[in-house]
Amino acid sequence: AQSVTQLDSQVPVFEEAPVELRCNYSSSVSVYLFWYVQYPNQGLQLLLKYLSGSTLVESINGFEAEFNKSQTSFHLRKPSVHISDTAEYFCAVSPTGGFKTIFGAGTRLFVKA
Amino acid sequence: GAVVSQHPSWVICKSGTSVKIECRSLDFQATTMFWYRQFPKQSLMLMATSNEGSKATYEQGVEKDKFLINHASLTLSTLTVTSAHPEDSSFYICSASGGHLYNEQFFGPGTRLTVL
Repeated sequence: AQSVTQLDSQVPVFEEAPVELRCNYSSSVSVYLFWYVQYPNQGLQLLLKYLSGSTLVESINGFEAEFNKSQTSFHLRKPSVHISDTAEYFCAVSPTGGFKTIFGAGTRLFVKA
Repeated sequence: GAVVSQHPSWVICKSGTSVKIECRSLDFQATTMFWYRQFPKQSLMLMATSNEGSKATYEQGVEKDKFLINHASLTLSTLTVTSAHPEDSSFYICSASGGHLYNEQFFGPGTRLTVL
């Protein structure tokens, strides 16, 4: 079985400051890792994913995440946030070859002017 | 990219009525669809997994007679909330995967259900 822990329920940060949203997982099998973003009253949008290969993955809007197998982490970072990045962010894992995705509890990123 | 739609985006109904929510994959064949429920300020809770042409697999604690799921085609799954009550009010989200997109889920925009 897999589990996901997002250590921070809320992260307030000022605009143009860097941010890190933490995600740790546990699994007895190999996993795929995902970060999703959810804006109010909307579904989830895939931000980035790690399936294999390079452990550093990037999104088109400046976010990046690094898969660290030894620390079982997949933290999300952005060097400079915008007001528009205010949203709920979910880390998720699914076993390779399987379908069931396990979501973390979510982290609300609140960017202040 | 792969697109999943949901209809309706929001619905208000009276207690005791049934509500059907549709989930469609618009540009790929979804062999597997998932239905989630999300309470305010909480994460997604998987309700059931459905594979095209077979019965859905429900998660523990989810009443299959209450939440009827049909996945009759590779592009459509429906969730029917039967005899809805106020405690069924929630945000329902579907996702789909399939074909060469088997290792990723694509999410619909969600349906807000309010039962009066």
